[in-house]
Amino acid sequence: GAVVSQHPSRVICKSGTSVKIECRSLDFQATTMFWYRQFPKQSLMLMATSNEGSKATYEQGVEKDKFLINHASLTLSTLTVTSAHPEDSSFYICSARLDSNYGYTFGSGTRLTVV
Amino acid sequence: AQSVTQLDSHVSVSEGTPVLLRCNYSSSYSPSLFWYVQHPNKGLQLLLKYTSAATLVKGINGFEAEFKKSETSFHLTKPSAHMSDAAEYFCVVTPFNDYKLSFGAGTTVTVRA
Repeated sequence: GAVVSQHPSRVICKSGTSVKIECRSLDFQATTMFWYRQFPKQSLMLMATSNEGSKATYEQGVEKDKFLINHASLTLSTLTVTSAHPEDSSFYICSARLDSNYGYTFGSGTRLTVV
Repeated sequence: AQSVTQLDSHVSVSEGTPVLLRCNYSSSYSPSLFWYVQHPNKGLQLLLKYTSAATLVKGINGFEAEFKKSETSFHLTKPSAHMSDAAEYFCVVTPFNDYKLSFGAGTTVTVRA
């Protein structure tokens, strides 16, 4: 089946540094990718929608300058958390839309800890 | 706008007994509905989806859900719980012709031996 590979699975970084998270579609072309954030014991909150070759669409309240999304190819989308702070610590998950029949596949998630 | 309410934040069952996870939705248009399962520190796995075909939907691992438009519900059931069913479950809605998913708050399932 369609697989999205998300890396890294865990990352610890120092406050003020930037972290890049990658999501690659392994056996299909992902025209649309979604990025979610999940706090402990909470649901997934959509951060942004990215379409290959165009600028990402951010949800209300999400800082586009802090969470940089690049979707330069049909198989790769990246989320860069810039100037990370402890409050950015969270679980980040990407998802790709598979087809018009509302098929989606999710990455395995990235646990970001900012110290 | 669409939204999802999962009526139980935590469900605890004994192994071998039925599981019921309740979900109500609101949507301005004919919705598509999903149930996903998430094991700790993992991504999400699709259990089943409803996209305006049969109202009783069968999924993986013995799960099924029934779409009831009159009750705006999409409850998830399994006749016999297994220890491996212990996880977080999300009910998800997206309206017709819109690909953004709206997630419920989640239901934590624990299974007692």
